[in-house]
Amino acid sequence: EAGVAQSPRYKIIEKRQSVAFWCNPISGHATLYWYQQILGQGPKLLIQFQNNGVVDDSQLPKDRFSAERLKGVDSTLKIQPAKLEDSAVYLCASSLVGDAEQYFGPGTRLTVT
Amino acid sequence: DQQVKQNSPSLSVQEGRISILNCDYTNSMFDYFLWYKKYPAEGPTFLISISSIKDKNEDGRFTVFLNKSAKHLSLHIVPSQPGDSAVYFCAASSGGGADGLTFGKGTHLIIQP
Repeated sequence: EAGVAQSPRYKIIEKRQSVAFWCNPISGHATLYWYQQILGQGPKLLIQFQNNGVVDDSQLPKDRFSAERLKGVDSTLKIQPAKLEDSAVYLCASSLVGDAEQYFGPGTRLTVT
Repeated sequence: DQQVKQNSPSLSVQEGRISILNCDYTNSMFDYFLWYKKYPAEGPTFLISISSIKDKNEDGRFTVFLNKSAKHLSLHIVPSQPGDSAVYFCAASSGGGADGLTFGKGTHLIIQP
């Protein structure tokens, strides 16, 4: 069974630029999550989707971050404009509906200079 | 306000001995707890979980203990092996595990030969 796929693996941008990350969850997993992991911290939930609907986006900085999950499969997370403090690893995870066990992708390491 | 706390940033244990990783939480709404293991440049990997209706769950060398009255859980690894060297994250969820995860900052476990 293929795992959660993410791209790109690494991205370096200058502040005020925009960036987008892509995630393909495990086949059949209706629930998809985006987490932000800053160096030295644990992952922090940004947004949770079930199919193509948003379940929880209470911690998403909506002035600059946006996410979508069209057709209830792949998802993209966008930052526009980026700030220095957005430097982090962005992790995508998926799970079966109602299942606590989440499967994580390898993450995208973003560096904002 | 950290709702999940791992107070030991690192732990060094001799190969073959028991490793005990600790985690405390403050949110009484948490009803499902998980441990994840993370190697560098990889996403977190699920290790073991426990529901709040139980006080112990065992899977091979890994056992998780939950003390609800103390809001404390621990992960025991017996015997410890070199491949266990990694960062371990404690995570908690509400809604029976259907919600997003709240993570601690992690404990870096080092198994010495």
